[in-house]
Amino acid sequence: EAGVTQFPSHSVIEKGQTVTLRCDPISGHDNLYWYRRVMGKEIKFLLHFVKESKQDESGMPNNRFLAERTGGTYSTLKVQPAELEDSGVYFCASSQGVLAGQYFGPGTRLTVT
Amino acid sequence: KQEVTQIPAALSVPEGENLVLNCSFTDSAIYNLQWFRQDPGKGLTSLLLIQSSQREQTSGRLNASLDKSSGRSTLYIAASQPGDSATYLCLPGGYQKVTFGTGTKLQVIP
Repeated sequence: EAGVTQFPSHSVIEKGQTVTLRCDPISGHDNLYWYRRVMGKEIKFLLHFVKESKQDESGMPNNRFLAERTGGTYSTLKVQPAELEDSGVYFCASSQGVLAGQYFGPGTRLTVT
Repeated sequence: KQEVTQIPAALSVPEGENLVLNCSFTDSAIYNLQWFRQDPGKGLTSLLLIQSSQREQTSGRLNASLDKSSGRSTLYIAASQPGDSATYLCLPGGYQKVTFGTGTKLQVIP
């Protein structure tokens, strides 16, 4: 069984540009989560999808961040326009249900210069 | 808001020692608690998942306990090995707004 995959593994962009991160959850997992870790800080929750619906997006930092999960399969997280403080590692996780454990992807390292 | 604290922040032990990592959380209304390890530059690897109705889970040399009412969980690692060196994180589940603690950075010295 394939695990959670994320693309790209690393992205370097300039301030003001747009970047789109992609997450493919484990097949059959309705729950999909986005987290991020900025330098030296703890991993913070961004949002939670159940199928294609946003269950909780209280962790999204501002309206420069847009997450989608069309069709309830893969998800994208777009940052537009990117700022320096957006640099960090963005993790995606999926689970079969809220009561089930979460499986994390390897993360996307985003560097904004 | 759920807050998670992990003690100690860092731990260095000689190979072969048994050790205990602690995780405390402020809101006991959780469905489960999950322990992860993170290796440098890698994602999080799930180690153990304890449901709220359980008191402990074991996998090989790892044993995790959960005391939901007091907001505590411990991860016991028996006979530590250099390959156990990593950062260990706990995640109280079923509470979407949770923030991970900063974890416990473990170094096992050969």
